[in-house]
Amino acid sequence: EAGVVQSPRYKIIEKKQPVAFWCNPISGHNTLYWYLQNLGQGPELLIRYENEEAVDDSQLPKDRFSAERLKGVDSTLKIQPAELGDSAVYLCASSLDQGRPGELFFGEGSRLTVL
Amino acid sequence: SQKIEQNSEALNIQEGKTATLTCNYTNYSPAYLQWYRQDPGRGPVFLLLIRENEKEKRKERLKVTFDTTLKQSLFHITASQPADSATYLCALYNQGGKLIFGQGTELSVKP
Repeated sequence: EAGVVQSPRYKIIEKKQPVAFWCNPISGHNTLYWYLQNLGQGPELLIRYENEEAVDDSQLPKDRFSAERLKGVDSTLKIQPAELGDSAVYLCASSLDQGRPGELFFGEGSRLTVL
Repeated sequence: SQKIEQNSEALNIQEGKTATLTCNYTNYSPAYLQWYRQDPGRGPVFLLLIRENEKEKRKERLKVTFDTTLKQSLFHITASQPADSATYLCALYNQGGKLIFGQGTELSVKP
């Protein structure tokens, strides 16, 4: 069974440019998460979806970040415009349980460098 | 304020010894706690989950304890191996519905 798939693995852009990350969760997993991870830190939740509904986006900087999960399957996270401080790893995860998460399955992450 | 604290310094131990990692939290009432392993350049991988009414959980060479009075979880790896070298993350599921991660502790097991 395929795990959580993310792309691209690496992205280098100049500040003020847009960037998008894509995530395909494990088949049948209703809950999808986007986390941000800075070097030496733990993952920080940006947004959580249950099916196609964003149930927790309180930590998403909505002035420049947006996310969507059309049809409740794969998801896209966009940053426009990117800033130097956005350089980090963006992790996507999925889980089977709704509301009360059990095991999270993470993708390999998308490493963003903003120059 | 709410905090999750793991040993910020790397833990260096000799092969065969028991590694013990600590996760302390303040101002949370977690329903349960999870531990993940993360290798460089990879996503975290789930290891163990322990509920608030459980004192201890074991899986092969891994053991987790959860003391809600001390607000602490300990993660033990017995008979450690160089392949156990990684960063270990604890994560709390708070009553508010979020899974919140600590900053992780890097473990290095020397042969």
